[in-house]
Amino acid sequence: AQKVTQAQTEISVVEKEDVTLDCVYETRDTTYYLFWYKQPPSGELVFLIRRNSFDEQNEISGRYSWNFQKSTSSFNFTITASQVVDSAVYFCALLLPRDYKLSFGAGTTVTVRA
Amino acid sequence: DAGITQSPRHKVTETGTPVTLRCHQTENHRYMYWYRQDPGHGLRLIHYSYGVKDTDKGEVSDGYSVSRSKTEDFLLTLESATSSQTSVYFCATLIAGAGEQFFGPGTRLTVL
Repeated sequence: AQKVTQAQTEISVVEKEDVTLDCVYETRDTTYYLFWYKQPPSGELVFLIRRNSFDEQNEISGRYSWNFQKSTSSFNFTITASQVVDSAVYFCALLLPRDYKLSFGAGTTVTVRA
Repeated sequence: DAGITQSPRHKVTETGTPVTLRCHQTENHRYMYWYRQDPGHGLRLIHYSYGVKDTDKGEVSDGYSVSRSKTEDFLLTLESATSSQTSVYFCATLIAGAGEQFFGPGTRLTVL
């Protein structure tokens, strides 16, 4: 069975600090997708990134970057120079194309203090 | 944005009453999902549908049933609501080939 673990429940940083969110996944499938979502205080789920299992290239989007390592089954997310608007709950998720069920981690609450 | 709406957005009900939540999509996506979100658990899959009248259980399906008579609508029913079903419910759709999932705005359900 697939599983996603986000070991960090809460992270609190001061504005402009970098913050890294860990995500470890488990699956026996060789084909899968990994996701990160942001849930701001308003409650909606905002898609941040999708990565398939055959693409291990790291990605950078503005202040956001993602490090995908199949060898350690990790898909970590870094926010560089954090801002108050980054305060949210962040979820990592795993999707298996064989059944298209999405499994979520428990989420990491990031609080950025001014 | 995949044109997903959920109704109602907020509901307060009493234990033992039936409740139906509706998810409506405008993009003709084949796959639709219902999740519940609770503190410390992230989002957990209740039921999903892979086509009209084709549904399957997720990890927390006890106490819930679903129906999908049209591509655009996916209904979640609590036959007899319990306080443990107090939660935020999210509907989602999926573009299968791209593995891209879209979420509705959520429904906050309180069972007293």
